[in-house]
Amino acid sequence: DQQVKQNSPSLSVQEGRISILNCDYTNSMFDYFLWYKKYPAEGPTFLISISSIKDKNEDGRFTVFLNKSAKHLSLHIVPSQPGDSAVYFCAARNNAGNMLTFGGGTRLMVKP
Amino acid sequence: DTGVSQDPRHKITKRGQNVTFRCDPISEHNRLYWYRQTLGQGPEFLTYFQNEAQLEKSRLLSDRFSAERPKGSFSTLEIQRTEQGDSAMYLCASSLLTSGRNIQYFGAGTRLSVL
Repeated sequence: DQQVKQNSPSLSVQEGRISILNCDYTNSMFDYFLWYKKYPAEGPTFLISISSIKDKNEDGRFTVFLNKSAKHLSLHIVPSQPGDSAVYFCAARNNAGNMLTFGGGTRLMVKP
Repeated sequence: DTGVSQDPRHKITKRGQNVTFRCDPISEHNRLYWYRQTLGQGPEFLTYFQNEAQLEKSRLLSDRFSAERPKGSFSTLEIQRTEQGDSAMYLCASSLLTSGRNIQYFGAGTRLSVL
């Protein structure tokens, strides 16, 4: 039972345009959501997060939106840069605050 | 701050052998987590510690897997009698439990190949 799903395995975007990565979840007990970026041969790097009491969090070029009623979140990257090319993982944390449940990842390719 | 350190980065072993991986968390982080990642999947939670106490271990994949954090600093993950299905990336993360964020920061992982 996949509680966190990223339905797009890959996404290709032109440099300077917006990248939108999507994530859906099923467990209503999740109260905190995170996005991680992963380059080859490295561990996941924390990017941005959002609490379930908010619907938007912004950090520079990165914005995360949360729609609790739809159990959906998205990561917007504007403008996209070639250095953003990586695998992006959505993760959710339950209200006990310990384990993270990850989606399967979306590979973003930003073309110059 | 040197980040989460994992050793070794790569481990090749023969089926049936025991292997042990080490994780050094970010200093002063009181929580330490182990995850496993297989090809094309996201990381999968295995276990975690708060200081030296192992608070969740029901997600360890079998009784061949065990983890320790004896002094509340570094941790080890041991796999006994390895099987080919154990081949994966083993990731360690640490966090500082405070109110609110409790963000987990990951190491680069140990890639295990069981021949």
